Amino acid sequence: EVQLVESGGGLVQPGGSLRLSCAASGFTFSIYWMSWVRQAPGKGLEWVANIKPDGGEKYYVDSVKGRFTISRDDAKNSLYLQMNSLRAEDTAVYYCASDPSSRSAFDLWGQGTMVTVSS
Amino acid sequence: QSALTQPAAVSGSPGQSITISCTGTSSDVGSYNLVSWYQQHPGKAPKLIIYEDIKRPSGVSNRFSGSKSGNTASLTISGLQAEDDADYYCCSYARSGTWVFGGGTKLAVL
Repeated sequence: EVQLVESGGGLVQPGGSLRLSCAASGFTFSIYWMSWVRQAPGKGLEWVANIKPDGGEKYYVDSVKGRFTISRDDAKNSLYLQMNSLRAEDTAVYYCASDPSSRSAFDLWGQGTMVTVSS
Repeated sequence: QSALTQPAAVSGSPGQSITISCTGTSSDVGSYNLVSWYQQHPGKAPKLIIYEDIKRPSGVSNRFSGSKSGNTASLTISGLQAEDDADYYCCSYARSGTWVFGGGTKLAVL
């Protein structure tokens, strides 16, 4: 079955760190761009970051530049998001997303993992 | 990286047609044929319903159609059904590897 499964969410204090993981299965993970998309409670979707198949290119939304780092381990079919200096406004469900059908869109989504930044 | 502009809410009766607009700029929507649309039901992950402006993934009802003119893309849903009651988001490639979503539109099927 083609799927993405996120983990690593939780409650963290402002200024803290958290590492999200996304396990991929059912498709050739290593040849596709991978992305993180988040959704604050009751709000819309926001693209956060993506990474090229070879990991050589990474892009971020301005609001997380310098604080978040996206990475991948193709041997483990896994995507990661290291989040540092977390702020209350980073509170959201974080989705892992990909495009295994090469549709230049986010064709496959995980179920999401909730990150809450609060003291 | 400003969000694309969508109406906050639209509504329609079963059987009717509705259109949701998505306005960007010449740096995103107007520059690439890479607008996609997503349907999201409460508590669920988004689902791709339109990609590359006008294409529909297999398995998605042909009641969903996409179009684009200049910096504005549109999603039309014909023959509204109760299960279409959901949130809808547009998304566009926005240069240099980045993507931008619209603010979302809540569709109420009355």
